Amino acid sequence: AQSVTQPDIHITVSEGASLELRCNYSYGATPYLFWYVQSPGQGLQLLLKYFSGDTLVQGIKGFEAEFKRSQSSFNLRKPSVHWSDAAEYFCAVGAPASGGSYIPTFGRGTSLIVHP
Amino acid sequence: DAGITQSPRHKVTETGTPVTLRCHQTENHRYMYWYRQDPGHGLRLIHYSYGVKDTDKGEVSDGYSVSRSKTEDFLLTLESATSSQTSVYFCAISGQEKPYEQYFGPGTRLTVT
Repeated sequence: AQSVTQPDIHITVSEGASLELRCNYSYGATPYLFWYVQSPGQGLQLLLKYFSGDTLVQGIKGFEAEFKRSQSSFNLRKPSVHWSDAAEYFCAVGAPASGGSYIPTFGRGTSLIVHP
Repeated sequence: DAGITQSPRHKVTETGTPVTLRCHQTENHRYMYWYRQDPGHGLRLIHYSYGVKDTDKGEVSDGYSVSRSKTEDFLLTLESATSSQTSVYFCAISGQEKPYEQYFGPGTRLTVT
């Protein structure tokens, strides 16, 4: 069964600083990997996804993530954080399921705090 | 934003009572999912549907049932609510062309006293 580990429960950065959120996964085949963001009181929004090809993927809001098979990692990065990036971030690994559906397994999340 | 609504948005109920949460979509997407979110656990899948009347269990299905009688609605029922089911419940949808790309509803906060 697949699993995801997000080692950092909280990350605090200053506005304008760079950001890296860590994600490690376990999956037997080629992984389908995702990062989601959740603002307070909201549902989750897909930031970016990796299926194959270029290991550096670009997403919305200036985020990018790099897939490293040798390290089983899919870390999320942003070169300059804005106060509006403060949110909960979830990494997920997906697997096919019944009827052609797709089931992600989520990590426990990393809470990003941005100081002015 | 994808057209997903959840009702009610907040509910307080007593232990032992049945509760039904509704997810409604206007996207005509084939797949629908119910998750619960608890501190320290991320999101965990309860049940999902891959078509009308086609459903399957997720990781934490005990104590929950679902029904989908039409494409746009996916109902989650707590047969006899317990305090351990106090949580925030999210519905998600995905389409047949991109089944891996899920869109989430705003959530329902359920408190069982």
